[in-house]
Amino acid sequence: ETGVTQTPRHLVMGMTNKKSLKCEQHLGHNAMYWYKQSAKKPLELMFVYNFKEQTENNSVPSRFSPECPNSSHLFLHLHTLQPEDSALYLCASSQGGSGGAVDTQYFGPGTRLTVL
Amino acid sequence: GIQVEQSPPDLILQEGANSTLRCNFSDSVNNLQWFHQNPWGQLINLFYIPSGTKQNGRLSATTVATERYSLLYISSSQTTDSGVYFCAVTSGTYKYIFGTGTRLKVLA
Repeated sequence: ETGVTQTPRHLVMGMTNKKSLKCEQHLGHNAMYWYKQSAKKPLELMFVYNFKEQTENNSVPSRFSPECPNSSHLFLHLHTLQPEDSALYLCASSQGGSGGAVDTQYFGPGTRLTVL
Repeated sequence: GIQVEQSPPDLILQEGANSTLRCNFSDSVNNLQWFHQNPWGQLINLFYIPSGTKQNGRLSATTVATERYSLLYISSSQTTDSGVYFCAVTSGTYKYIFGTGTRLKVLA
């Protein structure tokens, strides 16, 4: 148990569906992250939020839409995905802060997404 | 951007053996972490080690920032050590770059 939870753990969706992934952290952190892990590839950073403000968008297609309503919750809204978007989506959090301070990340268990 | 390379890509060990995993990075960093990803996909923090040496039980890590590499040592390996080991670096922003990982299999 890392203090970061993700739901659902598994998701199968069609290309025309709309779904959302949810991440919640119970660590009192201020920074939250979405990563994508495709088979046999390194983790790719998608988005970073620090104090609810988006600080990184790593050229992610607009069919992925993040939302951070507060420092404890992070969502990833999905619509009109492609089969190549099938992957493990991981959420992480860290202490965060101002001045670009970097610190230890804690990861959730991931959502394994399959797009048919 | 920073490039991160890990070696070896794959490693098979007999239980009880020792191993060294390496992480090379192409530019100065101010954060380096080692993670273990278990077979179910969960990433677990092992070390936050931008420089110096740390030990935690059978695991230890050393980062030589001036020479741009980090080493993870696993002693007396156990089957539960199996999985993928990643290093991740960043140079002052929140844009973490992960290496390609070392896939470890420990045989009983």
